Amino acid sequence: EPEVTQTPSHQVTQMGQEVILRCVPISNHLYFYWYRQILGQKVEFLVSFYNNEISEKSEIFDDQFSVERPDGSNFTLKIRSTKLEDSAMYFCASSRDRFDGNTIYFGEGSWLTVV
Amino acid sequence: SQQGEEDPQALSIQEGENATMNCSYKTSINNLQWYRQNSGRGLVHLILIRSNEREKHSGRLRVTLDTSKKSSSLLITASRAADTASYFCATGPRGGSEKLVFGKGTKLTVNP
Repeated sequence: EPEVTQTPSHQVTQMGQEVILRCVPISNHLYFYWYRQILGQKVEFLVSFYNNEISEKSEIFDDQFSVERPDGSNFTLKIRSTKLEDSAMYFCASSRDRFDGNTIYFGEGSWLTVV
Repeated sequence: SQQGEEDPQALSIQEGENATMNCSYKTSINNLQWYRQNSGRGLVHLILIRSNEREKHSGRLRVTLDTSKKSSSLLITASRAADTASYFCATGPRGGSEKLVFGKGTKLTVNP
């Protein structure tokens, strides 16, 4: 079964450093998402991306975050200057179409630890 | 309760028993999805139910949706130790938003 793949599975970074989390969505999917889960808390929506632009973002997704689809297969989340509170599991997800009625598939996640 | 709140927060049962988890939400929805998460791992999609559906089955899973009560339930029949995980409901709101809103989840432990 096709799946969303994410790298790295775990990254430790110093506060203030830039981090790029990478994702390969399912190949025929057109909508891409990033979510995060701080330890012990709910999974929270960050951003959705369609047709090479952000279609929706949450209040969490401020200027330190950016997303990019640099080629036909990868989808990246960049955190420009990491803070301690950015420590979380970051999930990439994709769906074939707008999700009303369509399943959103999640990857295994990337654990980010900011020290 | 918050959008997509599950109860109970934790549930411990014996193998072979059925497990029922409930989810309540506040706003109108397009659909509701249930996910499973093994400790520290990714979110595995279990089942999607649309707002015009009342019940769906998938293997040992049965999901119901009552839009008048803004609630859903997930039933796992004949549970196995491998079903031990956290289960989340996630709602897709109406009104054009693309985000899923997750609850805090129910932590299910199935004892062998």
